[in-house]
Amino acid sequence: DTEVTQTPKHLVMGMTNKKSLKCEQHMGHRAMYWYKQKAKKPPELMFVYSYEKLSINESVPSRFSPECPNSSLLNLHLHALQPEDSALYLCASSQEGRWSSYNEQFFGPGTRLTVL
Amino acid sequence: AQSVTQLDSQVPVFEEAPVELRCNYSSSVSVYLFWYVQYPNQGLQLLLKYLSGSTLVKGINGFEAEFNKSQTSFHLRKPSVHISDTAEYFCAVSEAHSGSARQLTFGSGTQLTVLP
Repeated sequence: DTEVTQTPKHLVMGMTNKKSLKCEQHMGHRAMYWYKQKAKKPPELMFVYSYEKLSINESVPSRFSPECPNSSLLNLHLHALQPEDSALYLCASSQEGRWSSYNEQFFGPGTRLTVL
Repeated sequence: AQSVTQLDSQVPVFEEAPVELRCNYSSSVSVYLFWYVQYPNQGLQLLLKYLSGSTLVKGINGFEAEFNKSQTSFHLRKPSVHISDTAEYFCAVSEAHSGSARQLTFGSGTQLTVLP
């Protein structure tokens, strides 16, 4: 299984709602990532988990709250979002380690989020 | 820190013609280099990667790229494009040998449009 799956595919939410995005991989990867991508722009890194611990937080507002309950799952909890948070949210995973072959990040299809 | 420059934001080309998408990078350390493709409303798919060894790298869908250390370039080429190659292409770099979850630094992307 070489897939990263993300649910839901599309999400529309109001500014007072609480919702969660889910990401799952079964490749045994120990690093998982959340990216935000606006239209016609490259992905921007939000968070990195390494061995289920948050290792990088790129100064993301607290209305985005990541969670890594186990080595296969990554969640992104959303609360009190703003319309400018509307974007494609991508999850990725990769191996961890010093060997060069462990460097590839595998991306999921993304969740298209619209905040009204 | 690394940076990536994709010199062309849009590249229109006729079907069956060759194409080159340019990528230059800047880094004070050794890097790994990647090309990703993103079809509309989808996640990113790895086309090819340079980690070490031969500077000519072959990828999926008939694409190849050449790593040129002296010119700090990693241009993507295909000898004959198809309509189905129409997509956004991202060049990315990460620090080599960091031994931990590696951050990808993306270029701004090149929209390849293949015309009939």
